[in-house]
Amino acid sequence: GGIITQTPKFLIGQEGQKLTLKCQQNFNHDTMYWYRQDSGKGLRLIYYSITENDLQKGDLSEGYDASREKKSSFSLTVTSAQKNEMAVFLCASSMGLGGEQYFGPGTRLTVL
Amino acid sequence: QQQVRQSPQSLTVWEGETAILNCSYENSAFDYFPWYQQFPGEGPALLISILSVSDKKEDGRFTIFFNKREKKLSLHIADSQPGDSATYFCAASDMGYKLTFGTGTSLLVDP
Repeated sequence: GGIITQTPKFLIGQEGQKLTLKCQQNFNHDTMYWYRQDSGKGLRLIYYSITENDLQKGDLSEGYDASREKKSSFSLTVTSAQKNEMAVFLCASSMGLGGEQYFGPGTRLTVL
Repeated sequence: QQQVRQSPQSLTVWEGETAILNCSYENSAFDYFPWYQQFPGEGPALLISILSVSDKKEDGRFTIFFNKREKKLSLHIADSQPGDSATYFCAASDMGYKLTFGTGTSLLVDP
């Protein structure tokens, strides 16, 4: 088995601030994902990475950057936090693109 | 546009009843349909999945019924338990491509 760790669990920032969320997985999975979960809107894909140093934009990439320097880690940066993007950010990984995804517990973002 | 739709948005059933959660999709290329279960404060976890070559998949109390012609599927939870209270997401992909998630159904099982 394996685990996905997301840090921090809660993130509070000021409007306009640059904020970074981190994700680590020990499944040895190639593919990793960042999703945003808003109440009543399901999961929307922000970025994904098929392998180390690869980055692919999802449906909601505007306002975000991502970084995959190592196979086991995937970071997401909110480039300028806005009050309307308070949500839970979920990291996931899978063996390959489209395979079963394993999710972390999420980072809840609050923007003041 | 929402390619995967779920209904109802919320559902309450009594303990012991069968809960029926519905899902429909638009993209004919979708051929893999997982259902994820999410408890408050946790990430979603894969519950059961089906490929489009099958019309039914069972795993204990959980059954997926799939109708390719109508592009519809449903998750049946038999003998519902209070511990089944969670949000359920239907997702879809064509194999080897990224998943598209529905907006979820919040299930409450009353004891």
